[in-house]
Amino acid sequence: AQSVTQLGSHVSVSEGALVLLRCNYSSSVPPYLFWYVQYPNQGLQLLLKYTTGATLVKGINGFEAEFKKSETSFHLTKPSAHMSDAAEYFCAVRDSGYSTLTFGKGTMLLVSP
Amino acid sequence: DGGITQSPKYLFRKEGQNVTLSCEQNLNHDAMYWYRQDPGQGLRLIYYSQIVNDFQKGDIAEGYSVSREKKESFPLTVTSAQKNPTAFYLCASSLNSGGRYNEQFFGPGTRLTVL
Repeated sequence: AQSVTQLGSHVSVSEGALVLLRCNYSSSVPPYLFWYVQYPNQGLQLLLKYTTGATLVKGINGFEAEFKKSETSFHLTKPSAHMSDAAEYFCAVRDSGYSTLTFGKGTMLLVSP
Repeated sequence: DGGITQSPKYLFRKEGQNVTLSCEQNLNHDAMYWYRQDPGQGLRLIYYSQIVNDFQKGDIAEGYSVSREKKESFPLTVTSAQKNPTAFYLCASSLNSGGRYNEQFFGPGTRLTVL
């Protein structure tokens, strides 16, 4: 079965600092990978996705992620945090040919002034 | 505007009652999904449907039921058999089931509280 591990349930950064949210997955085949963001009491919004091709993927709001097959990782980064980035972030994986996603448990990003 | 709507946003239920959560999409998506979200546990799949009149159990289907009579609608019933139904419920849809670019789009969620 697929599994997704997000290291750290909470990550705290200062405004302007680098954001790094970690995601590792288990999959026997090259997967499709996603990062979603959730603001309080709202649904999930897609930040970015990796399917095939370039391993560095750029998303909305200045976020990007790099697929590293050898490390089975898909870490999310942003060079400079904004207060508006405070939210919960979910990594998800889907094996090609299947429709369902497996989600990590989420990482809450806290941004201080 | 195209999107996914869920109603109601907040729902209160007495123990022993069945309740139905609504999910409607006008994106012309084939596949629809129901997830349950609890603090610190991420999203867990309850049921999903890839075409009308067909659906499959997810990881935590016990105590829940669904129907898919129309492409745009996928209601979820939380039955009295669900032992701990208080949670945030999210509905999602995707264009089709297995395509490469098929990310899931999410509705705003329904928060169910059992009194």
